[in-house]
Amino acid sequence: DAGVIQSPRHEVTEMGQEVTLRCKPISGHDYLFWYRQTMMRGLELLIYFNNNVPIDDSGMPEDRFSAKMPNASFSTLKIQPSEPRDSAVYFCASSFSGTHGYTFGSGTRLTVV
Amino acid sequence: GEDVEQSLFLSVREGDSSVINCTYTDSSSTYLYWYKQEPGAGLQLLTYIFSNMDMKQDQRLTVLLNKKDKHLSLRIADTQTGDSAIYFCAERGAGGGNKLTFGTGTQLKVEL
Repeated sequence: DAGVIQSPRHEVTEMGQEVTLRCKPISGHDYLFWYRQTMMRGLELLIYFNNNVPIDDSGMPEDRFSAKMPNASFSTLKIQPSEPRDSAVYFCASSFSGTHGYTFGSGTRLTVV
Repeated sequence: GEDVEQSLFLSVREGDSSVINCTYTDSSSTYLYWYKQEPGAGLQLLTYIFSNMDMKQDQRLTVLLNKKDKHLSLRIADTQTGDSAIYFCAERGAGGGNKLTFGTGTQLKVEL
């Protein structure tokens, strides 16, 4: 298995632009999580899905952020419009309810200038 | 809500033992985890312990759990330069949903 695959690895965009981050979870995993990591705030859970259904989006900072999971093998996190304070590393992770721990992707480093 | 705290930084000499500490607040935690993050990479699961255990050993890693004090530690024996990384503890509550709450992470620096 190739693990959790995130794209792009790096994204530099101008303030006000729309940004879409992508994630392919491990096949067979029924949970998918989106995290944001910054020096100031550490690792923050933004939203998670179970069987493609959003369960808890209380960590989504504001309406500019949205996430979808149209099927079991794909999820997106969209920021529109982007702001410099959104600059961070965004991680996707997946897990199977019968096993322990998450498998994390390598992350997307987002820089908004 | 749940809270998980760690010290931010630890420096040890190569060959010494490292002890990384973590405290948590959720008394209903069922499992506790240790993850390792190397530069530019995602978090990697190292080990986990069930809340009714007080110790688990896995090669150079020893996890100690004091459930009464809600204190978790990770001991790395014979620390190597390759162990330099950020270490996160995480707890899983009884509420289910596979949701983990992560600590702030401890930066371990191994010096020659």
